[in-house]
Amino acid sequence: QLQLQLAGPGLVKSSETLSLTCTVSRGSFISSSFYWAWIRQAPGKGLEWIGSIFHSGTTYYNPSLKSRVTISVDTSKKQFSLKLNSMTAADTAVYYCARTFFVRGGMASNWFDPWGQGTLVTVSS
Amino acid sequence: QSALTQPRSVSGSPGQSVTISCTGASSDVGGYNFVSWYQQHPGKAPKLMIYDVSKRPSGVPDRFSGSKSGNTASLSISGLQADDEADYYCCSYAGSYIWVFGGGTKLTVL
Repeated sequence: QLQLQLAGPGLVKSSETLSLTCTVSRGSFISSSFYWAWIRQAPGKGLEWIGSIFHSGTTYYNPSLKSRVTISVDTSKKQFSLKLNSMTAADTAVYYCARTFFVRGGMASNWFDPWGQGTLVTVSS
Repeated sequence: QSALTQPRSVSGSPGQSVTISCTGASSDVGGYNFVSWYQQHPGKAPKLMIYDVSKRPSGVPDRFSGSKSGNTASLSISGLQADDEADYYCCSYAGSYIWVFGGGTKLTVL
């Protein structure tokens, strides 16, 4: 069963950059059908897709966060990472990493599964 | 991209059925059959319950079903059980490799 393990600081100062890494284990990292996603959830709020990356390094970002987000991948370590700069209190959230299965065409299918355990990131002033 | 619209809360008694709606636009829910639903218990990561509008992953009870009509998708849960009490989120592909989630619905089992 594929697992995702998230690592990174739980506290970030305002205006600084958040860095999180998600490590994939017990499964394939490279596939034409897999994308690797970052999703967050502010306290008491809904889920927000931040962005996704393909193993080739092609990235896709939420337009509302695009100017502050960088997602990268290290296939040798089966890891993908998130950097979010200019952090503010509004970025306080639980951050999740997840696998996206996405196929278009005849065998079209799409879902997010599994998810990492999530980590609460608090922005302090 | 605007979040999909879900009712803030729904409730039902054990054994009853409930339906949670998820309204988007022709650019997301209405434009693709890539709607998925997630169950989230407090303090836990979301769990995939329905994908591709109406398909169930292995291990998800057939009490859970999904459908779509126009720009609105729905998650139905029959034979409500205490453990179904959770937050439920819909998600849709919105084109150009962008995804959008709903605001979430809190299901209370009375």
